[in-house]
Amino acid sequence: GAVVSQHPSWVICKSGTSVKIECRSLDFQATTMFWYRQFPKQSLMLMATSNEGSKATYEQGVEKDKFLINHASLTLSTLTVTSAHPEDSSFYICSARDPGLAYQETQYFGPGTRLLVL
Amino acid sequence: ELKVEQNPLFLSMQEGKNYTIYCNYSTTSDRLYWYRQDPGKSLESLFVLLSNGAVKQEGRLMASLDTKARLSTLHITAAVHDLSATYFCAVDNNQAGTALIFGKGTTLSVSS
Repeated sequence: GAVVSQHPSWVICKSGTSVKIECRSLDFQATTMFWYRQFPKQSLMLMATSNEGSKATYEQGVEKDKFLINHASLTLSTLTVTSAHPEDSSFYICSARDPGLAYQETQYFGPGTRLLVL
Repeated sequence: ELKVEQNPLFLSMQEGKNYTIYCNYSTTSDRLYWYRQDPGKSLESLFVLLSNGAVKQEGRLMASLDTKARLSTLHITAAVHDLSATYFCAVDNNQAGTALIFGKGTTLSVSS
């Protein structure tokens, strides 16, 4: 089945630094990828929709200048958390749809990246 | 705005018992998804329900979808400890390229 990978799987950084998280679709091309954030014991909250070759669409309340999204190719989207602060510590999960499975269209989730900002 | 409500949010079960998790959503959608999440892990796809009346079963779990009632259920039969996890339902809004909207999740704890 389709696989989505994320790198790194966990990262610890100092407050004020920037962190880049990669999301790759490994065996299909994804024109659209999604970024979610999950705080402990909470559900997944959609942060933004990443569109290949165009600007990302951010959900209300998500700072686009803080969470930079680049969808440079059909298999790679990156999320950069700029000037990270402790409140940005969370579990970040990306997902992608396989457009080749139109009827059984489903969304594949990456393994997640756990970010801890000290 | 599409909203997804799950209940209960917490469920403590004894092994061998049956129970049902409910998922209601607010707008028309033909597709509903159930996922399992273990602590510290990402989501594992359980079921994709694509039409009204769809029923899918895998082991001790069975999911159904009633699009007219905007309701999906996840039924657990004869629970075992290995089913302890958080279960999420999610819905999309029928448009290609849109994200899933998740319920708050149901944390299931199965004890002997």
